[in-house]
Amino acid sequence: GAVVSQHPSRVICKSGTSVKIECRSLDFQATTMFWYRQFPKKSLMLMATSNEGSKATYEQGVEKDKFLINHASLTLSTLTVTSAHPEDSSFYICSARITDTEAFFGQGTRLTVV
Amino acid sequence: AQSVSQHNHHVILSEAASLELGCNYSYGGTVNLFWYVQYPGQHLQLLLKYFSGDPLVKGIKGFEAEFIKSKFSFNLRKPSVQWSDTAEYFCASSGFQKLVFGTGTRLLVSP
Repeated sequence: GAVVSQHPSRVICKSGTSVKIECRSLDFQATTMFWYRQFPKKSLMLMATSNEGSKATYEQGVEKDKFLINHASLTLSTLTVTSAHPEDSSFYICSARITDTEAFFGQGTRLTVV
Repeated sequence: AQSVSQHNHHVILSEAASLELGCNYSYGGTVNLFWYVQYPGQHLQLLLKYFSGDPLVKGIKGFEAEFIKSKFSFNLRKPSVQWSDTAEYFCASSGFQKLVFGTGTRLLVSP
């Protein structure tokens, strides 16, 4: 299947700093990418839909000023967690869809804010 | 609103036992349905998908799922589980563009 690469896989940052997570589609072009957050023992919560060349669409309750999403090219979307706090510590996963029927997922990024 | 519910949060089975994981969805329009698996330390992988045609869908590793429209269900089954099936299983539905996941079922298969 198609490959989606996410970087970094783990990051530790200090409270108040910003962290950028990259999501790349390696062998296909993705006009739409999705960002999820996975809480321990819980499901994946869709945070936002990232469309190439336009503003991201955020789900209800997700702060768009805190979770900045940029989808500047057909193979790269970035999620920046701004002014991170310990409660932002989580597992963030991106995915990209080629068609309406299947999505491919990145390896995920474990963010720890200390 | 689009939603997916999985009834079993934790399932423990012995090897060779049969498996059925429940999944119910709600969505007013045409829906595509998926089962994803996440093995320990690995990323999500697609097990199988349904979008039309035969409601009994066969996936990888001996898994299958049956789409029952009248029950809004898409249960995952495997006749005989193996220790290597220990993982977390997520049911998901796709309506208009968005892919929405259930809460997941953690399966532990004891040898």
